[in-house]
Amino acid sequence: NAGVMQNPRHLVRRRGQEARLRCSPMKGHSHVYWYRQLPEEGLKFMVYLQKENIIDESGMPKERFSAEFPKEGPSILRIQQVVRGDSAAYFCASSLTSGGTDTQYFGPGTRLTVL
Amino acid sequence: AQSVTQPDIHITVSEGASLELRCNYSYGATPYLFWYVQSPGQGLQLLLKYFSGDTLVQGIKGFEAEFKRSQSSFNLRKPSVHWSDAAEYFCAAAEGGGNKLTFGTGTQLKVEL
Repeated sequence: NAGVMQNPRHLVRRRGQEARLRCSPMKGHSHVYWYRQLPEEGLKFMVYLQKENIIDESGMPKERFSAEFPKEGPSILRIQQVVRGDSAAYFCASSLTSGGTDTQYFGPGTRLTVL
Repeated sequence: AQSVTQPDIHITVSEGASLELRCNYSYGATPYLFWYVQSPGQGLQLLLKYFSGDTLVQGIKGFEAEFKRSQSSFNLRKPSVHWSDAAEYFCAAAEGGGNKLTFGTGTQLKVEL
């Protein structure tokens, strides 16, 4: 059973470009979470999605960032007009249910570098 | 504000020695508590979790953690460390019933042979 998959693993963008990060949850999981890890910091929650719905986006920056989890296909985290401060590791996690007791399984992350 | 604190940024232990990694939380009510391990270039792997009940929790790879309400702590322990345990360890918490994890800043463990 494949785990959570993220691609690309490394992404380099110049300032002003768009970054698209993809996350395929574990098979059967319909709950997806995105976290950001800045250098020397812990992971920070960004957004929680279910299929076709954003449930909690309290950790998302107000501008330039968006996320979706369509009925078919992976979840996408989109960052428009990237700036150097967006350089970070972005982790996706998935869970089987929405309950707090359910384990979140993490992917290997996408490391974004903004030049 | 809800927070998780890991006071030790780096810890070095000798192989075979015991290990304790500290974690304190600040929440209005007892949150759900987790320990994750991250190897270089990898995602996070869950070691163990606590929701309620027995305050001593057993996890994978020989790790255990003890919940102490009076100290708002959830420290991770291992009686004998192996070189392969070298990694970064994150404590995390979620408000009861919630699924938004709040992470500490991590403790980098180095194991000396």
